[in-house]
Amino acid sequence: EAGVAQSPRYKIIEKRQSVAFWCNPISGHATLYWYQQILGQGPKLLIQFQNNGVVDDSQLPKDRFSAERLKGVDSTLKIQPAKLEDSAVYLCASSLDSGGARTGELFFGEGSRLTVL
Amino acid sequence: SQQGEEDPQALSIQEGENATMNCSYKTSINNLQWYRQNSGRGLVHLILIRSNEREKHSGRLRVTLDTSKKSSSLLITASRAADTASYFCAIPYYNTDKLIFGTGTRLQVFP
Repeated sequence: EAGVAQSPRYKIIEKRQSVAFWCNPISGHATLYWYQQILGQGPKLLIQFQNNGVVDDSQLPKDRFSAERLKGVDSTLKIQPAKLEDSAVYLCASSLDSGGARTGELFFGEGSRLTVL
Repeated sequence: SQQGEEDPQALSIQEGENATMNCSYKTSINNLQWYRQNSGRGLVHLILIRSNEREKHSGRLRVTLDTSKKSSSLLITASRAADTASYFCAIPYYNTDKLIFGTGTRLQVFP
């Protein structure tokens, strides 16, 4: 079974530029999450999708971050304009059923490491 | 906060020794999960323990849960250099389907 795919693995941009990350969850997984992990910290949840609808985006800085999940499969996370403090690893995760973390485990991709100069 | 807090923040041991990591949390939970993250990689699920379980085993891993003390521990027995990684406990946010992670324990196992 293929895992969660993310791209690009690494991205370096100047501040105020834009960047987009792509995630393809495990086939059939209903719930998709984007996490931000700053160096030395635990992952912080940014946004959660259930199929193609947003369940929770309360931690997403909406003035610069946006995310979508078209057709309930792939998802993209965009940052525009980027700030220095956005330097982090952006992790995508998916879970099989609608219960998400309440009932089962999350499967993570390898992450996209963003460096903002 | 709702998130788990791991203790210690860092742990260094020799191969063959046991490693114990602890996680404390503040609210009621329906499950607690442990994940491992190798340097530069994504997180890998290790064990999920439900609130009605007290202990769970998986290979060299043993997880305990004490809901009265709101704490959990992860024991890795006979550690190997390949166990070097960060270990995170995670709990569903107020029993929703949002998983909230702690700050992690960085384990270094020396050959």
